[in-house]
This record gives sequence, structure tokens and C-alpha cells, in this order.
Amino acid sequence: GAGVSQSPRYKVAKRGQDVALRCDPISGHVSLFWYQQALGQGPEFLTYFQNEAQLDKSGLPSDRFFAERPEGSVSTLKIQRTQQEDSAVYLCASSLRRNTEAFFGQGTRLTVV
Amino acid sequence: AQTVTQSQPEMSVQEAETVTLSCTYDTSESNYYLFWYKQPPSRQMILVIRQEAYKQQNATENRFSVNFQKAAKSFSLKISDSQLGDTAMYFCAFMRGDLSGTYKYIFGTGTRLKVLA
Repeated sequence: GAGVSQSPRYKVAKRGQDVALRCDPISGHVSLFWYQQALGQGPEFLTYFQNEAQLDKSGLPSDRFFAERPEGSVSTLKIQRTQQEDSAVYLCASSLRRNTEAFFGQGTRLTVV
Repeated sequence: AQTVTQSQPEMSVQEAETVTLSCTYDTSESNYYLFWYKQPPSRQMILVIRQEAYKQQNATENRFSVNFQKAAKSFSLKISDSQLGDTAMYFCAFMRGDLSGTYKYIFGTGTRLKVLA
């Protein structure tokens, strides 16, 4: 596609519910990032993929968070047993390769009630 | 660990005037990149300008330019001839340049810029 696409744009989940957030990177982009952005804050790193390999997951806040990119293109961020503190915008970004410009999607706003 | 600090939570500027947004960072790396990203209400982060640390010349991109002071670890963004469409959150970001090890953007907390008509 022309840009990074994320779906859904908005998600409301009841506390304890599992959610899955999808990211479609730009075709051919090797690098893919997930970031979490709390209201009024800067994005915080969650995880990084190079093709299908998850090379860095140091930013995942707990074992309730899980990300995958099985075929090296589309990625899914899954949050199990959501809690109120998980409410944030989740941003996905992709780049052609390391140290080239990253393009961001419009994010998914997750609200846990 | 690297950190990025933006000390101006909010700024405003009159249309057509010039404004400077501040950013400082802390790192022990010698090879790195610095970025300014713009985030309008649509939430999509858009790259404004990028600076390689090994380049002494300050990057410019049309109305946007940076003042990169490597020794002082300062990286400010100057917006000339401000336009209403420049109204957005601006984030300063750091990335290591080493091709091995950690690869991620480290963002500051942002500056909310409002351009006034």
C-alpha cells in the first residue's frame, strides 16, 4: 500500500478482554516497530522486528503483551486481559531497512473501560 | 542509556513569524541520528527533518532548519514563516547509528506548537 495502515483506528475493550491490533507496513519494508503513546506523552518503544524475527522486545511492559510478524509483512500486537493502564495510542512504523526513514501509521487508540 | 529532553511543553507563534523548539539529548554514542517529527491531530507522525551526527552542516528542509550543537548535545528546530498548518505536536527523537545492537527511536515528551492567525 501507499503507507502504513493500522486497524482498527479505535478500539474500546472491557477490562479483562483480549485485543489484537493490526499493522500493514509498506510493502518491502524490512524493519517494523511498535510504540505505545500515552495521552500527552511521547511514543515509548515496545518492540522491533527485522523481517519475521523479533529482535528486540525489551519495551513490552508485561507478559500480557505479545507481538508477531510471522511472514515478515503484517504484524499483530496482542494484549491479553487488558487493564485500564493499557489505554493509549499504539503506533506502528516501518522502514525499508535499518537507519532509513521510518513511516508511521495513524495508530490505534485503545480505551479500556 | 540515551535520553531526549524537550523542555517546552507548549509554544505559540504568530503566522509568518519564526519559532525555535528546543531539544537536548544525552548519549555516549558517537554515531547517531537525530530527528524532528510532527504529529498533527490525525496522530500520524511525519518526519520533518533528520540530522546525521557525523555531519557538521546543519540540515535544512524548506522552512525548517536545525541548530545541531554536538558538543552541547543540543538539537533545536527553527520554523520560519510559520503557517497555520504547522500547528501540531513536535517530537525530537534519537537513534543509534551502529548497525548492531539496539535499533529504536527514543522520543522526547513533545512540544505542542500553536500557530496563531
